[in-house]
Amino acid sequence: TQLLEQSPQFLSIQEGENLTVYCNSSSVFSSLQWYRQEPGEGPVLLVTVVTGGEVKKLKRLTFQFGDARKDSSLHITAAQTGDTGLYLCAGAGPNTGNQFYFGTGTSLTVIP
Amino acid sequence: NAGVTQTPKFRVLKTGQSMTLLCAQDMNHEYMYWYRQDPGMGLRLIHYSVGEGTTAKGEVPDGYNVSRLKKQNFLLGLESAAPSQTSVYFCASSFSGNTNTGELFFGEGSRLTVL
Repeated sequence: TQLLEQSPQFLSIQEGENLTVYCNSSSVFSSLQWYRQEPGEGPVLLVTVVTGGEVKKLKRLTFQFGDARKDSSLHITAAQTGDTGLYLCAGAGPNTGNQFYFGTGTSLTVIP
Repeated sequence: NAGVTQTPKFRVLKTGQSMTLLCAQDMNHEYMYWYRQDPGMGLRLIHYSVGEGTTAKGEVPDGYNVSRLKKQNFLLGLESAAPSQTSVYFCASSFSGNTNTGELFFGEGSRLTVL
């Protein structure tokens, strides 16, 4: 079992719809990051959250860190085809030797 | 800008063969990492290094060895490849180990198939 579980594993939606991706763990993290990965490339950092309850916005993307710093969510408003990709959360804390351990990933497809 | 470069990009091995994956970064980063990516499992940390001459185990270190003889290079070795090591391997680097501000920069991946 992995430290960070993401849901859903796969998501296919129409352009213009909203969606939320979840990243859950039973462990507490000092910081949590979200990355996006496109086919044939390495992941690219979207955001880092470090405070429980913290909310960060990046254009149409809203990231939230849970109050207990054990979970996080990524909400996309009015999805576009360019949002298609694999979304990965990564947490670092005492249970990971302060290195980033990644979640299981959510593959998002936005259909035009 | 090269960033993080991995070689080779593709490799097919037979069970029991050995090989080395090379990662090179030109950003003068202290920290370097090797991850493997498998369907439905995201990325899992194999080994990492916090500086030249240092290495440490991650989540799934068994069957792999690493070396960091030069700051810019991080090598991942498979001494006796097994089919379970079929995966896409990613190298990453970061400027510091501060997880509040640090960012992982990834290479494009190396696809390894073990028959």
